[in-house]
Amino acid sequence: GEDVEQSLFLSVREGDSSVINCTYTDSSSTYLYWYKQEPGAGLQLLTYIFSNMDMKQDQRLTVLLNKKDKHLSLRIADTQTGDSAIYFCAESIRAGKSTFGDGTTLTVKP
Amino acid sequence: NAGVTQTPKFQVLKTGQSMTLQCAQDMNHNSMYWYRQDPGMGLRLIYYSASEGTTDKGEVPNGYNVSRLNKREFSLRLESAAPSQTSVYFCASSEASGRADEQFFGPGTRLTVL
Repeated sequence: GEDVEQSLFLSVREGDSSVINCTYTDSSSTYLYWYKQEPGAGLQLLTYIFSNMDMKQDQRLTVLLNKKDKHLSLRIADTQTGDSAIYFCAESIRAGKSTFGDGTTLTVKP
Repeated sequence: NAGVTQTPKFQVLKTGQSMTLQCAQDMNHNSMYWYRQDPGMGLRLIYYSASEGTTDKGEVPNGYNVSRLNKREFSLRLESAAPSQTSVYFCASSEASGRADEQFFGPGTRLTVL
């Protein structure tokens, strides 16, 4: 079955890099996603990666995919206090159906 | 474009009362979803609608009903609210056209059942 797991909490200092990790079980996953949820708001897609890619970079965000180990990570360079939020990993096998992890709460300390 | 809108933003119910949560999207998306979010339990899918006229159960459908009124609107009904249904409810939509399944979320409805 489909299962996505993440650690629940991460705390970093402003200016450091943050790395949020995720593992998934379904090797048929075609796309993997990172969503961000700010306090009191809905989720917003940050970035996604197709399963035949190893890495995707978008400004301060770097996504790494290890398909053999079914491991996905999101690195945020030069983390700012505005990056404090809950980050959700998600995977989909087909369009229209995604499975979400429980979310990692990132706290950025000044 | 407003994206995905939800009403109401907040609601307090007494046990046994009924209510309908409304959701609408203006992106001409095919698929729509209802999730609930509880502390430490992430997002759990209640129901989804792959296209107008179809609905399917998700992970936690008990105690809920849905209606896909048209392509734009997808409502969630609680017939007899219970304290266990205290949660934050999110509606989402996606194009679901064979490419990446980017889901767009509404701002949420915070429901308390006393």
